[in-house]
Amino acid sequence: NAGVTQTPKFQVLKTGQSMTLQCAQDMNHEYMSWYRQDPGMGLRLIHYSVGAGITDQGEVPNGYNVSRSTTEDFPLRLLSAAPSQTSVYFCASSYARNEQFFGPGTRLTVL
Amino acid sequence: GESVGLHLPTLSVQEGDNSIINCAYSNSASDYFIWYKQESGKGPQFIIDIRSNMDKRQGQRVTVLLNKTVKHLSLQIAATQPGDSAVYFCAEINTGGFKTIFGAGTRLFVKA
Repeated sequence: NAGVTQTPKFQVLKTGQSMTLQCAQDMNHEYMSWYRQDPGMGLRLIHYSVGAGITDQGEVPNGYNVSRSTTEDFPLRLLSAAPSQTSVYFCASSYARNEQFFGPGTRLTVL
Repeated sequence: GESVGLHLPTLSVQEGDNSIINCAYSNSASDYFIWYKQESGKGPQFIIDIRSNMDKRQGQRVTVLLNKTVKHLSLQIAATQPGDSAVYFCAEINTGGFKTIFGAGTRLFVKA
């Protein structure tokens, strides 16, 4: 099993550009979520999904969109990148509410 | 609002000693409390969890204690090893929900 995979590992954007961060898992987990982690801080929940076709907002959803068309994939879209979105983004999946498996992260810089 | 915080931002211990990492929480309605470990450049890794109807749970070299009276959570690591050096996060999940709220983290340094 590859577990949770994220692409790209690094990305630099200019203000106003859009892009999609990819996340995939091969563990057949129903729950998936996206977090951002700013330097020296904990993780903040952006969006999450409890199954294909079902998504909901987390703590900091503004400026991000998600969709869940399959169990395996949960992409995160930045609509119009801003410097405040410079962060490390983690995707996670789980079969239950408590134990999440995290991907290696995507480091995003917005200039 | 809801928050999960930590008492100490950094902790330095000697190899072989026991480590205790503390966490305060404010949401009495949370039903799961979880500890994650994050090594440099990696995603967080689940260590252990405890449900709100328990006050102690033990794993391999780790013990989590939950004191609901004072809303306090702690992670004890026995015989701390250099490989335990990392940032440790506590997190809570609201009852019946899915939103996981993370604390800011404590960095553990293990001196050889």
